[in-house]
Amino acid sequence: GAVVSQHPSWVICKSGTSVKIECRSLDFQATTMFWYRQFPKQSLMLMATSNEGSKATYEQGVEKDKFLINHASLTLSTLTVTSAHPEDSSFYICSALPGGRTYEQYFGPGTRLTVT
Amino acid sequence: QQQVKQSPQSLIVQKGGISIINCAYENTAFDYFPWYQQFPGKGPALLIAIRPDVSEKKEGRFTISFNKSAKQFSLHIMDSQPGDSATYFCAAGVSGTASKLTFGTGTRLQVTL
Repeated sequence: GAVVSQHPSWVICKSGTSVKIECRSLDFQATTMFWYRQFPKQSLMLMATSNEGSKATYEQGVEKDKFLINHASLTLSTLTVTSAHPEDSSFYICSALPGGRTYEQYFGPGTRLTVT
Repeated sequence: QQQVKQSPQSLIVQKGGISIINCAYENTAFDYFPWYQQFPGKGPALLIAIRPDVSEKKEGRFTISFNKSAKQFSLHIMDSQPGDSATYFCAAGVSGTASKLTFGTGTRLQVTL
């Protein structure tokens, strides 16, 4: 149980284009999902907290107009990287918090984004 | 004050040995301390977690030791196996803050034959 999927697992896009990453909780409902960014050999950096039906809460320093987050249902959150730049190349990971729980985040497998 | 300091940065242990990873925190409001295991190119997987009302929790070969007064907690991997070679992250969270987690910097564990 508590499986989280991400799609795509890897994506290459050109500078200036936008790319959407999906995060789905497969066997549970998640009122809260989180988006992280991870550079090679580094820790996870929380980008934003996504709550179903409301606007995402972004961490300090994260451009909300560049990283658009939508949590339209209890099983799906999306992250759209707009006007992508090579500096946006990274490993993006989502996690989901099962409804009724306050701590146990379950992570997706991650999405490798390369901007050329 | 939100930082979680993790050490060592890397660790090499022989098969069958004990791997020990330590974390320290400052924020006394933290009340949830999970450990995650991450393989290259994969997302982190929850290994084991502890609340501050207990000093130790064991699940299989994995044990968390928690020292509330010292604001430290550690992960012990008994009988370490080559399959345990991965990066381990400690984390800490505060209830009532949207369950956000603060992660340590990670420890790359290599278990040799």
